[in-house]
Amino acid sequence: EIVMTQSPATLSVSPGERATLSCRASQSVGSNLAWYQQKPGQPPRLLIYGASTRATGIPARFSGSGSGTEFTLIISSLQSEDVAVYYCQQYNDWSGTFGQGTKLEIK
Amino acid sequence: EVQLVQSGGGLVQPGGSLRLSCAASGFTFSTYSLNWVRQAPGKGLEWLSYISSSGVIYYADSLKGRFTISRDNAKNSLYLQMDSLTADDTALYYCARGSYGDYYFDNWGQGTLVTVSS
Repeated sequence: EIVMTQSPATLSVSPGERATLSCRASQSVGSNLAWYQQKPGQPPRLLIYGASTRATGIPARFSGSGSGTEFTLIISSLQSEDVAVYYCQQYNDWSGTFGQGTKLEIK
Repeated sequence: EVQLVQSGGGLVQPGGSLRLSCAASGFTFSTYSLNWVRQAPGKGLEWLSYISSSGVIYYADSLKGRFTISRDNAKNSLYLQMDSLTADDTALYYCARGSYGDYYFDNWGQGTLVTVSS
C-alpha cells in the first residue's frame, strides 16, 4: 500500500501571504496526485489533479507541482475563505490513499 | 449539474448491519466509476471501496470482507452494504465519483453519518 505523508500538520499564514503545503508518497506515483480542500461541515472538494492541473472553477492562486514522490500545493495569496483542511491523494492505482491532512489557519 | 445524494445512515448496534445509498443525477451514471470514502470524527479521509463502470470491484484491506459495494445503473444508484459493524466504523461516509478514465474523485456526496453504539 502506498502511504501518503503530509506536512506540516497545521500551518498558520497571514492573509495575503503564501502558503506552502507538502505531500510525500512512500513510492513513486508519477503525476497521479490530487489535492482536495475540506471546509468544516462540507465534503471534500477537488482542487488539483494530475499534480498540477486545477479543477474547474478553482482560483488561479492555487497551484500544484511535483512528480514521483514529492508534491507541493501553493496558495499564492491566502484569503480568509481558504481556511480548511487540505488532503493529498495518490491515484496511481485504484486504492486512492489519502494523506492525513494539513489544517490551514489564518494567523 | 452533477449531484450525489446520500441516504441510509443512522444509529446501529455493534454487530449490526446497514445499507447506504447514493443516488446520482446530472451525468451518465453507467459510464463512471464510483467510490466510498469515510471520515471518522475529527479524523482524515479513508478510501473504502471502488466499483468501475463495468463492475470491477476493489476494497480496502482494512474492511476484512465486511462491506459490499454494488451499483444499479438502471436506478442511477450506488450502494454500500455494511455488516458486522463495530464502534470503529462510526464515521461520516461519502460516495464519490471517479473522474472519467481516471481514479481521482471529481464529485462528492454530502455524506451520511453512521454511528455504531449500544
